[in-house]
Amino acid sequence: GDQVEQSPSALSLHEGTDSALRCNFTTTMRSVQWFRQNSRGSLISLFYLASGTKENGRLKSAFDSKERRYSTLHIRDAQLEDSGTYFCAAEAYTGGADRLTFGKGTQLIIQP
Amino acid sequence: DPKIIQKPKYLVAVTGSEKILICEQYLGHNAMYWYRQSAKKPLEFMFSYSYQKLMDNQTASSRFQPQSSKKNHLDLQITALKPDDSATYFCASSQDDWGQDTQYFGPGTRLLVL
Repeated sequence: GDQVEQSPSALSLHEGTDSALRCNFTTTMRSVQWFRQNSRGSLISLFYLASGTKENGRLKSAFDSKERRYSTLHIRDAQLEDSGTYFCAAEAYTGGADRLTFGKGTQLIIQP
Repeated sequence: DPKIIQKPKYLVAVTGSEKILICEQYLGHNAMYWYRQSAKKPLEFMFSYSYQKLMDNQTASSRFQPQSSKKNHLDLQITALKPDDSATYFCASSQDDWGQDTQYFGPGTRLLVL
């Protein structure tokens, strides 16, 4: 089965609202990376976490440091430019240390 | 200036032909990767290279062959192209291949096989 499960698969929000995206892992992961894919298809790295939380402007991400089985991405005060598809990708402890396994993505639409 | 360059941006090929996808990174990284994104599957890892050596290969078909002529180059040769190979191919790089390191992605090459 899928090692990385993202939810929700799609989300539509109005500007100014907050949202939370989640990734669950079927096994313990070493680290997680979050990306946004824009309308041109470019993958933009948002966060890399080996543990704990990181914050950048209106974005904040957390990686469960105990079980290492889930990660979240919070978007505060959503803006139109936040629209896109958000992917989480995780590195497992087994197999290739640098091999990222991606979730299927959350398609986020921000409406005026 | 773009730090990871992929060429071409778009590529149309006929079934059975051979193409080479180019990737160059100017981040000073030692590890480079190829990933593929198709309509049918999520982004999936293909290869990783470190200091020009193959470290990991998750591509079942030998039709896909990475080529590294310089430390900051990792091209992808695809032979005997099939329509199922149609996808966007992303090159990525990171400082090293030990894991626990941010991977940065190039803009991708969109390949369409007719």
